[in-house]
Amino acid sequence: DIQMTQSPSSLSASVGDRVTITCQASQDISNYLNWYQQKPGKAPKLLIYDASNLETGVPSRFSGSGSGTDFTFTISSLQPEDIATYYCQQYDNLLITFGQGTRLEIK
Amino acid sequence: QLQLQESGSGLVKPSQTLSLTCAVSGGSISSGGYSWSWIRQPPGKGLEWIGYIYHSGSTYYNPSLKSRVTISVDRSKNQFSLKLSSVTAADTAVYYCARVATDHYGMDVWGQGTTVTVSS
Repeated sequence: DIQMTQSPSSLSASVGDRVTITCQASQDISNYLNWYQQKPGKAPKLLIYDASNLETGVPSRFSGSGSGTDFTFTISSLQPEDIATYYCQQYDNLLITFGQGTRLEIK
Repeated sequence: QLQLQESGSGLVKPSQTLSLTCAVSGGSISSGGYSWSWIRQPPGKGLEWIGYIYHSGSTYYNPSLKSRVTISVDRSKNQFSLKLSSVTAADTAVYYCARVATDHYGMDVWGQGTTVTVSS
């Protein structure tokens, strides 16, 4: 089974900061990597699919990159409403795995 | 727009079977290009994928849960269901249903989630 290692597990940043989260797969998953945002008490929301494609309606300050085993999720300028936990999710060989999550807080 | 709504027992006794249903509205569960998934989240923890079912009825499960999980679809009622047998306290979680876009296997529509507690 493919394991996903997401880091950091938590992150504190200021409004306007550039924020980066990484996700590493235990083997090559091409670009089969998605990113989600989950706010407290809410269902997750798909932000990025296929590593770098922005889901419809998602603000352009969110972006993703990478392929193979190493992936990056970036918020170019942190906004107060971005406070949430972020998860990566991989798809390979008909199975799905989530990363452990990154809790993002305002400094 | 498409909406998903979970329902089922919120309290299940240890060793019994957890049963949940996800009702799909605003669209057909038989639409091509999608599969239908269950995900859970234990209190204070991360997301765990349980499994998904294609409209054809083919199913794929998390290997760690495969021996206890059954996902089925009822096209006449436009809903799909989850059964998890032999539950323990470790199965206590918020259970979500979601639509999976099969071109990228991202979950693009989610239910609001339902809390299931395993306790005697």
